[in-house]
Amino acid sequence: SAVISQKPSRDICQRGTSLTIQCQVDSQVTMMFWYRQQPGQSLTLIATANQGSEATYESGFVIDKFPISRPNLTFSTLTVSNMSPEDSSIYLCSARLGMNTEAFFGQGTRLTVV
Amino acid sequence: KNQVEQSPQSLIILEGKNCTLQCNYTVSPFSNLRWYKQDTGRGPVSLTIMTFSENTKSNGRYTATLDADTKQSSLHITASQLSDSASYICVVSAKKPGGSYIPTFGRGTSLIVHP
Repeated sequence: SAVISQKPSRDICQRGTSLTIQCQVDSQVTMMFWYRQQPGQSLTLIATANQGSEATYESGFVIDKFPISRPNLTFSTLTVSNMSPEDSSIYLCSARLGMNTEAFFGQGTRLTVV
Repeated sequence: KNQVEQSPQSLIILEGKNCTLQCNYTVSPFSNLRWYKQDTGRGPVSLTIMTFSENTKSNGRYTATLDADTKQSSLHITASQLSDSASYICVVSAKKPGGSYIPTFGRGTSLIVHP
């Protein structure tokens, strides 16, 4: 299994600012992902964080808005840039030990943009 | 388009009662189906995983079923406890050419257990 620590757990931010969310895994993992979960909605994949290369973004998400870093096999960050109230959501970090293995999740970051 | 539909959207039951949550999917090619429990303010935690050949899987008071022909799954909770209050998410994974897997998440069923 893998234990994921995500921080901050919540934040209230002013529109136009940026927030960086950190995700630390207690073991080396092949795959790390970032999801967004809006109220009453399912998890939506933002991107796959690739170690040593640029993240792979899903349709509707772009690097300028959601830059991602993954400097090693245990750590990743997601930045929500130039925030607007529409970015208010829960952001979740996830990791998998292998291609089709169980996904482990951080506790999420509840972001409110005012 | 891969989709996962869950019902009911929300459910309120009394402590000690049983309940069943439903998941219908149109995910292809099917690889596996997982049920996750998400407590408020926490990330989802896996309860069960089922592959094509499995039609039932238990984890304590949680029992999942899978009918791959009708593309339906259910999660049955026996003798509910207050701690079962959470959102239950059905996740169905498809295998892409090249070997990677794409999970499709349902919106979840919000379960509230009252004393």
